[in-house]
Amino acid sequence: DAKTTQPNSMESNEEEPVHLPCNHSTISGTDYIHWYRQLPSQGPEYVIHGLTSNVNNRMASLAIAEDRKSSTLILHRATLRDAAVYYCILRDGFAGNMLTFGGGTRLMVKP
Amino acid sequence: NAGVMQNPRHLVRRRGQEARLRCSPMKGHSHVYWYRQLPEEGLKFMVYLQKENIIDESGMPKERFSAEFPKEGPSILRIQQVVRGDSAAYFCASSPRLAGGPETQYFGPGTRLLVL
Repeated sequence: DAKTTQPNSMESNEEEPVHLPCNHSTISGTDYIHWYRQLPSQGPEYVIHGLTSNVNNRMASLAIAEDRKSSTLILHRATLRDAAVYYCILRDGFAGNMLTFGGGTRLMVKP
Repeated sequence: NAGVMQNPRHLVRRRGQEARLRCSPMKGHSHVYWYRQLPEEGLKFMVYLQKENIIDESGMPKERFSAEFPKEGPSILRIQQVVRGDSAAYFCASSPRLAGGPETQYFGPGTRLLVL
């Protein structure tokens, strides 16, 4: 699987937007970009995924660069409950059933 | 619709004992994955199973670890003769069909194994 690079940690203030970056310069044409998050003492939770176009759902937005070598997860209004480790993962559209987790970004939200 | 269920949530074993971890996938899901998260480390894939078949066990330690997903009942991850290094959180995930790029995996709350 192609590798992703994320900052180790980020800080945000409550109720402000958060932009979590992910670099994936070796992404292939069939790789989907997935984001999961893991709240403290819980299992990972799906957040969003996309291929080429920007995506929105009730949890977040995903902005994908035109060359697909980077993406940004956007939380529009961070809450204390959003404090978690966020993982950016590439998954081959034709194969690759496992999720390969990197170190992720630990998001801290200040009240 | 109940989510992925794992039990027990916490398990304490002494060195040399056996640990059995159970995972009930979401209703309608026939694909199960096991991941392990060692203390202060990321999640690592262990094994991928469908009903009665092991599809990919490339992440499983070669010895003492086994997994099954019988036709009826939960998936079981079995660790024989546990050692302290097996202490970790073990997460199960399920998906409804062959997982590929767009497929989502749904995770359970995990079993935290402590080996004394």
